[in-house]
Amino acid sequence: AQTVTQSQPEMSVQEAETVTLSCTYDTSESDYYLFWYKQPPSRQMILVIRQEAYKQQNATENRFSVNFQKAAKSFSLKISDSQLGDAAMYFCAYRNPYGQNFVFGPGTRLSVLP
Amino acid sequence: ETGVTQTPRHLVMGMTNKKSLKCEQHLGHNAMYWYKQSAKKPLELMFVYSLEERVENNSVPSRFSPECPNSSHLFLHLHTLQPEDSALYLCASSQDWGPSSYEQYFGPGTRLTVT
Repeated sequence: AQTVTQSQPEMSVQEAETVTLSCTYDTSESDYYLFWYKQPPSRQMILVIRQEAYKQQNATENRFSVNFQKAAKSFSLKISDSQLGDAAMYFCAYRNPYGQNFVFGPGTRLSVLP
Repeated sequence: ETGVTQTPRHLVMGMTNKKSLKCEQHLGHNAMYWYKQSAKKPLELMFVYSLEERVENNSVPSRFSPECPNSSHLFLHLHTLQPEDSALYLCASSQDWGPSSYEQYFGPGTRLTVT
């Protein structure tokens, strides 16, 4: 069974600085999808960024980028120029290519300090 | 309204009560999901519906009973719950259930407290 691990339960970053959230996963599949979701204190989970495993290029969405290391099964999220609105729980998620079997990590709570 | 909505946002119920959670998606999606989010635990997928047919049921106790009358609405009927069922219940939808669909869109959740 696939598992997703986020080893940092909590992180903090100074406003305007850069922070990296870690995620590792375990799978025997060669093709799959990885996601970072953000859950602000209001609780609505929203998609931040996604990566297809067959793509070597790291995904980027404005201030958010990933470092996808397929061999190491690592999928970290980098947030540049952190803003107060980035404070939230961040969940790493894995999906196999055959269905909607999403597996979520336990989450990392990010605080942004003014 | 846009996106995925859930009602009520907060619910307190006794162990002998019967209540229902409602989810509605306004995205034209064909698949809907119920998740349970407990403190300090990963999200647990409970049920998946595709085109109103249940396709996944992850060993959820029978005191939780889902219903999907159409592709836009999803209910979770609750009966004889236990205090450990207190959690945030999230509804999500996606375009389809299958390899052609990528992300899920989540509702704001219902905070359930069982007393």
